[in-house]
Formats: sequence, C-alpha cells, structure tokens
Amino acid sequence: QKEVEQDPGPLSVPEGAIVSLNCTYSNSAFQYFMWYRQYSRKGPELLMYTYSSGNKEDGRFTAQVDKSSKYISLFIRDSQPSDSATYLCAISRPGNTPLVFGKGTRLSVIA
Amino acid sequence: GAVVSQHPSWVICKSGTSVKIECRSLDFQATTMFWYRQFPKQSLMLMATSNEGSKATYEQGVEKDKFLINHASLTLSTLTVTSAHPEDSSFYICSGSGAANYGYTFGSGTRLTVV
Repeated sequence: QKEVEQDPGPLSVPEGAIVSLNCTYSNSAFQYFMWYRQYSRKGPELLMYTYSSGNKEDGRFTAQVDKSSKYISLFIRDSQPSDSATYLCAISRPGNTPLVFGKGTRLSVIA
Repeated sequence: GAVVSQHPSWVICKSGTSVKIECRSLDFQATTMFWYRQFPKQSLMLMATSNEGSKATYEQGVEKDKFLINHASLTLSTLTVTSAHPEDSSFYICSGSGAANYGYTFGSGTRLTVV
C-alpha cells in the first residue's frame, strides 16, 4: 500500500463549481498535511497546511483533515479558470523529513 | 514568507557535459535541502536529502556519482548533473527546510534538456 494515495484525474469542471480533491494516507505517524498547487513547468506552491483534524479556510480554499479515517480534502469554491493546475497533497512525519506526495490531480476549470 | 530561489529555470546542454543547478534560501536558513525530480504528468520523486555541511543521502536508485549535491552553507545548495545524457532530461526542483518550515518552500524548478 502506498503511503499516500491520490486520484490523478484529470478532473474537469465548469467555472463557478465547487471542486473537491482528496487523498488518503496509511501511516498514522504523519502529522503535517499540505496542499500544493503546481502550474505547468513551475515549482509547487503551498496553498494550505494543517496539523490537526478539522477544517482550515483561506479565501476560496478549505482544507479538511480527518485523522481517524486518514483522509484529507481540499475544497475550492467558486472555481476559476486560473485554478486550472495540478494539485498535490503532501504529508510529513515529525522532524525534518521530506514530504510524501500524492500523485497529483490535474484540474481544468472551463470558462 | 520563505523563498527559495532556483537557477537556471531552464537549460539545454549537450550529452556528456555537466550542468549545475543552484538553490538559494533568501530569507531563512535552510538546514536541509531536498532535491526532487519530476517527469511529465508525474508527481515529485525525491532524489536526495542534503544537510548543511554533511554528505547528501541519496534515495535508492539515484546515482550519487552522477548527481552531485553540495550544501556548503545554510543558504546555498547545488545539484550538478555530471556527464549528462538524454535520459537525464527532466524537471528538477529543490525544497528548503529550516527551523520554521518543514520542507514547505520549493524553488521554481529547472527544466533540463540534454541533446
């Protein structure tokens, strides 16, 4: 079983739709949960990070963590064409260790 | 927020030559630098972990003599692809980690094309 599972998509939605992106993980030792956005030929850009179960909101983005189910989500409200990118979930163990990434979900928001 | 500056953003080189990629942490001390490789439509693959002043730790299957990593200071790490071949063509990304940010900040990536 992979440490982090993420459906690669692609996912195509109309402008204004609510987007739901999800990842599952297997190791309960993971403590930090992140979502990155990556545009083509660019480095990943941190969107959200959290370390506890529950919701964290930032503008149109909401990150949700359910540690009991080992499930993390990113919701994008009022999606825009500029949100079209690959979204990567990333999880880290305690200490200065490398992130473990999901495969990334390719999102297209159609105007 | 924390910024990692990566250069060059793209490079084309001939087979057999070497290419150096630099990553600088601009406003924090990166005690650790992670180097990743990414093929088209795939996720990031960790190549090596480098701690300042120490030898890098390479992931299984990554040739340490081919991908030379130097992390001589808390603000600069370099990856040198030696004797590059077309199969080394890829997108290389660094990520700096310090006391306040565990691997959060990525460079903008370097697209290497070996011809």
